[in-house]
Amino acid sequence: ETGVTQSPTHLIKTRGQQVTLRCSSQSGHNTVSWYQQALGQGPQFIFQYYREEENGRGNFPPRFSGLQFPNYSSELNVNALELDDSALYLCASSTSWEETQYFGPGTRLLVL
Amino acid sequence: AQSVTQPDIHITVSEGASLELRCNYSYGATPYLFWYVQSPGQGLQLLLKYFSGDTLVQGIKGFEAEFKRSQSSFNLRKPSVHWSDAAEYFCAQTSGTYKYIFGTGTRLKVLA
Repeated sequence: ETGVTQSPTHLIKTRGQQVTLRCSSQSGHNTVSWYQQALGQGPQFIFQYYREEENGRGNFPPRFSGLQFPNYSSELNVNALELDDSALYLCASSTSWEETQYFGPGTRLLVL
Repeated sequence: AQSVTQPDIHITVSEGASLELRCNYSYGATPYLFWYVQSPGQGLQLLLKYFSGDTLVQGIKGFEAEFKRSQSSFNLRKPSVHWSDAAEYFCAQTSGTYKYIFGTGTRLKVLA
């Protein structure tokens, strides 16, 4: 039991819509990272937040954005959804980037 | 660019047999290396990690991995596989920043 939760577990959207995915980190974990895992692939780093500020970003367009809140929760927002955004979205929390990342179970997003 | 290669997409072993999953990384300096396991519908669970020191790392569930700088490898091993080990295994590295890079995974099937 990692203590990292994500909601919703599954989601279906249509192309062009916007989506918000939520993550609740373990207490005391001020670093949260988001990953996209397409079917049959490893997780791809989207971005990381540290103390409510973006700390780094992978190769994802600006329509992928995030927020981190003081209560250890965070959000991933995706605008103008595309079919290729269909994937499992994972969040991972840690006390810092060099410490163990604890992953949530993920949100599976399907874009039709 | 950094990359992590897992050459075996699928591996099938009999219960009780030994297991070795291969992982090759590309980073000149000493990377931070990880092995994660993902069961269906689950997030990723950390099996073990290597930051420095002893090149043979012990993890949970009876797994171990050996860091070999000369071969740029970090292979995961288990002397006797249990049916519950069937899952997907991911090798990951970070060069000392927030960005974790994952391999594409190896799916393990265990025969009774």
